[in-house]
Amino acid sequence: NAGVTQTPKFQVLKTGQSMTLQCAQDMNHNSMYWYRQDPGMGLRLIYYSASEGTTDKGEVPNGYNVSRLNKREFSLRLESAAPSQTSVYFCASKWTSEQGEAFFGQGTRLTVV
Amino acid sequence: QKEVEQDPGPLSVPEGAIVSLNCTYSNSAFQYFMWYRQYSRKGPELLMYTYSSGNKEDGRFTAQVDKSSKYISLFIRDSQPSDSATYLCAMRPNSGGSNYKLTFGKGTLLTVNP
Repeated sequence: NAGVTQTPKFQVLKTGQSMTLQCAQDMNHNSMYWYRQDPGMGLRLIYYSASEGTTDKGEVPNGYNVSRLNKREFSLRLESAAPSQTSVYFCASKWTSEQGEAFFGQGTRLTVV
Repeated sequence: QKEVEQDPGPLSVPEGAIVSLNCTYSNSAFQYFMWYRQYSRKGPELLMYTYSSGNKEDGRFTAQVDKSSKYISLFIRDSQPSDSATYLCAMRPNSGGSNYKLTFGKGTLLTVNP
């Protein structure tokens, strides 16, 4: 039982390149989330999906897009990476947006040069 | 004033010490309070979860919530080197559109020295 799996674990991009961060959960959770974690800033919500077929902006959505591919998978896309997007990205899932608590993946360390 | 304030530390204690970690908050709508532990280069993992005011104990860990003071605490008794990690407080309301969102503190880095 893997929980929340993120790929890749590490990535280096050049400014302007695009990439997609993948997240999959095997806990049959309905809600999924993308956070970024920066030194001195804590965890900030980028986008979330309360249920399959829905997505909504969080606190810092600019420069990102998301896709809830199915109940298990929630991807985060950077269309044109910028150095300000250098961060550690965490995916999380919950039973529902109202119930249960968040389980986090191991993170993707992204550096944009 | 930020919604959730947490002293980032770092906090360094000897093995066996009692550790007190704290957060204050400004949003009176917060009803659910959580503590996450995050080891270096790992994702946060849920440590304690409480609803509304009161205490909750789990082994060496005790979580306290004082809603009148908008103050939450995590106590670690008989601290061990394996407790060395960053501790994040998090909280959310009970209902409404913002129910989806956890608000996190910035985390306190704790080191327990053998």
